[in-house]
Amino acid sequence: GNSVTQMEGPVTLSEEAFLTINCTYTATGYPSLFWYVQYPGEGLQLLLKATKADDKGSNKGFEATYRKETTSFHLEKGSVQVSDSAVYFCAHIGGSARQLTFGSGTQLTVLP
Amino acid sequence: ETGVTQTPRHLVMGMTNKKSLKCEQHLGHNAMYWYKQSAKKPLELMFVYNFKEQTENNSVPSRFSPECPNSSHLFLHLHTLQPEDSALYLCASSQDNSNQPQHFGDGTRLSIL
Repeated sequence: GNSVTQMEGPVTLSEEAFLTINCTYTATGYPSLFWYVQYPGEGLQLLLKATKADDKGSNKGFEATYRKETTSFHLEKGSVQVSDSAVYFCAHIGGSARQLTFGSGTQLTVLP
Repeated sequence: ETGVTQTPRHLVMGMTNKKSLKCEQHLGHNAMYWYKQSAKKPLELMFVYNFKEQTENNSVPSRFSPECPNSSHLFLHLHTLQPEDSALYLCASSQDNSNQPQHFGDGTRLSIL
């Protein structure tokens, strides 16, 4: 079936630390891949996306590269800030995944 | 401001009440969605509308009744809900029901007494 598996949280980091949140997907064909972020009390916001193999999505210092060979789309940021504290969701749609399929979310807390 | 507005932001209702959630999008999109977000569970897709036609009902109980009068508005009518229906209900829209990214509202936090 189609699924998205992401790193279990919660993740707690100090300000300026390096962040990686792992995400792998299961789908045939070439789905589009997304990272969404949910700040407390808000809905999901699109953070970045990639639509084909080897594409790199980037926004607000976050990056993720579409790796077809490993079916992965890991989220990275070189230096996190307190304001990055949120829940991050990996998702895909397309290929055999007819509807947007989300991972379970990873809670990130950044301490000053 | 995401371009998708949901009202009310919070709703408390008894199990015998009838209420409606409203979603409006100002993005010119043609597809709209209802999701349920419960604690400790992945986001659950409930309904999909594409050009005002319902294209997906993800085995949602009939106590949830969606309505899409036009491409900009989406409602979720609620009646005889159960305590386990307490959750954050999120509305989203996209250009069409394909690989386009979805834009979410801030949700309605629903509590069933």
